Amino acid sequence: ETGVTQSPTHLIKTRGQQVTLRCSSQSGHNTVSWYQQALGQGPQFIFQYYREEENGRGNFPPRFSGLQFPNYSSELNVNALELDDSALYLCASSHRDGFIDGYTFGSGTRLTVV
Amino acid sequence: AQSVTQPDIHITVSEGASLELRCNYSYGATPYLFWYVQSPGQGLQLLLKYFSGDTLVQGIKGFEAEFKRSQSSFNLRKPSVHWSDAAEYFCAVGGNAYSGAGSYQLTFGKGTKLSVIP
Repeated sequence: ETGVTQSPTHLIKTRGQQVTLRCSSQSGHNTVSWYQQALGQGPQFIFQYYREEENGRGNFPPRFSGLQFPNYSSELNVNALELDDSALYLCASSHRDGFIDGYTFGSGTRLTVV
Repeated sequence: AQSVTQPDIHITVSEGASLELRCNYSYGATPYLFWYVQSPGQGLQLLLKYFSGDTLVQGIKGFEAEFKRSQSSFNLRKPSVHWSDAAEYFCAVGGNAYSGAGSYQLTFGKGTKLSVIP
């Protein structure tokens, strides 16, 4: 079975720009969660998508948005980038109840905002 | 609100020595608890999890963790550390604070970086 693939692996953006990060979920998984991991911190929950609907959101502003597609892949969009958005963005796929069956994390996208 | 505290930012042990990484959590109900490991430039790999039953949980790579409800702790242990165990370790609690019912989010601690001396 394939794992979780994220693209791109690294990118640099300028403050105020917009960015789209992509995630291909593991085969058989229908749920995707996104996390932001700032340097020296643990991952923070951004939101989760289940069957193309947002299914829970953490304490992030509306300029963080997402999509899930019929094949369960997902995008994370961030508008009006700020310097503090610089972080590793992790995608995790799972079955509906990730607590029981477990999450599979991708290797992340390292975003640098200058 | 749920939270996780990992009191030790950085721990250094000699290869072959025993290891214990501390984790304390705050959660209003019976928690789902997890330990993940992250190697440099990599995503997170699940070591073990607890949600019911035996309070001593065995995981991969020779790790184990013990759930102690009275102490709100879920400490990770390994009897003999190998150089390849050098990485960052994250404790997490599962729940749906902030996000609303129906979502399955993880709340992570800030991590403990493990260095291993050969």
